[in-house]
Amino acid sequence: EVQLLESGGGLIQPGGSVRLSCAASGFTFSTYAMSWVRQAPGKGLEWVSVISGGGDSIYYGDSVKGRFTISRDNSKNTLYLQMNSLRAEDTAMYYCTKVGVIIIPASIQNWGQGTLVTVSS
Amino acid sequence: DVVMTQSPLSLPVTLGQPASISCRSSQSLAYSDGHTYLNWFHQRPGQSPRRLIYMVSNREYGVPDRFSGSGSGTEFTLKISRVEAEDVGVYYCMQGTNWPLTFGGGTKVEIK
Repeated sequence: EVQLLESGGGLIQPGGSVRLSCAASGFTFSTYAMSWVRQAPGKGLEWVSVISGGGDSIYYGDSVKGRFTISRDNSKNTLYLQMNSLRAEDTAMYYCTKVGVIIIPASIQNWGQGTLVTVSS
Repeated sequence: DVVMTQSPLSLPVTLGQPASISCRSSQSLAYSDGHTYLNWFHQRPGQSPRRLIYMVSNREYGVPDRFSGSGSGTEFTLKISRVEAEDVGVYYCMQGTNWPLTFGGGTKVEIK
């Protein structure tokens, strides 16, 4: 059974930083692209970033480009999202998702339970 | 970016009755491999989304057969043949043909 367990969220001050982690199990982690999707309170879904299985292909959404960095450690079956220069509009539940063997075309196959990031002073 | 437009925004339904949700994309979702990467997700209140349908019409393992997906090009539909209480929540379409991945705004299904 695929399991994705996010951690690292919390209350962060504007301009601050935080690193989210996602521990994956139940599948061959290094084979699959992984991504982060976020959902602001009461709002819809917004894709944030994706990384290929080997880590050599990475894409970001325009709203986070230059501020967020996605990475992975295949030896630890863990996905990361380093979030810098945080803004109030980054407040959201952040979901770790398993994408597929290839990045394009893509389908989100599994979702974690999410970790809440709140940016506020 | 590909814009995904869902309708209706809200869908009150009677238990046991059918329901239908529309999703329209701003450009064709047909990929060069011949497939169309349109997915449907269901998010129950307080839960993570769950994939119901992939590549327009393929049900995820364990998804009841009362759910069906159809469409092509830029027009897609999710149908529930007989709504049950557990079907409440928000339904999202998502295209995976082009980056960035984009989602529809969601359709909230509630019981009358």
